Amino acid sequence: DTGVSQDPRHKITKRGQNVTFRCDPISEHNRLYWYRQTLGQGPEFLTYFQNEAQLEKSRLLSDRFSAERPKGSFSTLEIQRTEQGDSAMYLCASSHPLTGRAVYEQFFGPGTRLTVL
Amino acid sequence: AQSVSQHNHHVILSEAASLELGCNYSYGGTVNLFWYVQYPGQHLQLLLKYFSGDPLVKGIKGFEAEFIKSKFSFNLRKPSVQWSDTAEYFCAVGSGGGADGLTFGKGTHLIIQP
Repeated sequence: DTGVSQDPRHKITKRGQNVTFRCDPISEHNRLYWYRQTLGQGPEFLTYFQNEAQLEKSRLLSDRFSAERPKGSFSTLEIQRTEQGDSAMYLCASSHPLTGRAVYEQFFGPGTRLTVL
Repeated sequence: AQSVSQHNHHVILSEAASLELGCNYSYGGTVNLFWYVQYPGQHLQLLLKYFSGDPLVKGIKGFEAEFIKSKFSFNLRKPSVQWSDTAEYFCAVGSGGGADGLTFGKGTHLIIQP
C-alpha cells in the first residue's frame, strides 16, 4: 500500500495519560499535515511540516500538543496529560507539488481515533 | 481568516436524482477550492479541485463543481446520483496553491435511496 498510513488506528486512554501517534506519508511527499476531526465536524487543521521544518501551528494546538518530523519522513503527534475534550479522530495528510506546478494536493490517511476516558 | 459554510448537513435523494451541494467560503485572497468525499469506513478522498483557469471543474465519478467568484461559492453537482454515492462530502478552502493547511466545512451527509 503506497498511501498515507497511521498507527495506531484506535487508542483508548485514561485522562491524564500521554499518547503518541505516528504518521507515515506517501514516499517522497515533502509536506505533512495533521488535522483533528470531531463528530459532526469537518477536519480542523493543527499543523504542517515541510520536510523536517514545522511551518505553521494552529491556535488549536495547545501546549499539551507537540508534533515532530525529525528526518523529514514520518511524523509523530504527542498529546500530554490528555483530557476528555481531546477525544477525536486525528488525521494525517501528505502532499508534494504537482509536476511542474506550484500546486499541491493533500492525500489523507485513515486516521487514529482517540478516546479519552 | 478563512471559513467554509456548507448549507445542507443531511441530504436524502433517490437514485438517478440530480445533486447539488452548496459551499460558500470566506477568504480575501487567492483561494484554492476542494471537494473531498468520505465513503463509509474509508478515509477522505479528493473528488475535485480548483486552482485557476476554467471555473467549471470536473472530478472523479461524474462529479463537477463551479467556482463563482462573485458569489464566493463552489457548489458540487452530479446529474444522476447512484446508491454508491452515499457518503460524507466536505468542501475545503486553501491558499498557497494548496500547500497550506486546509479549512473544511462541517460536511454534508448524503444518503442515496435505491
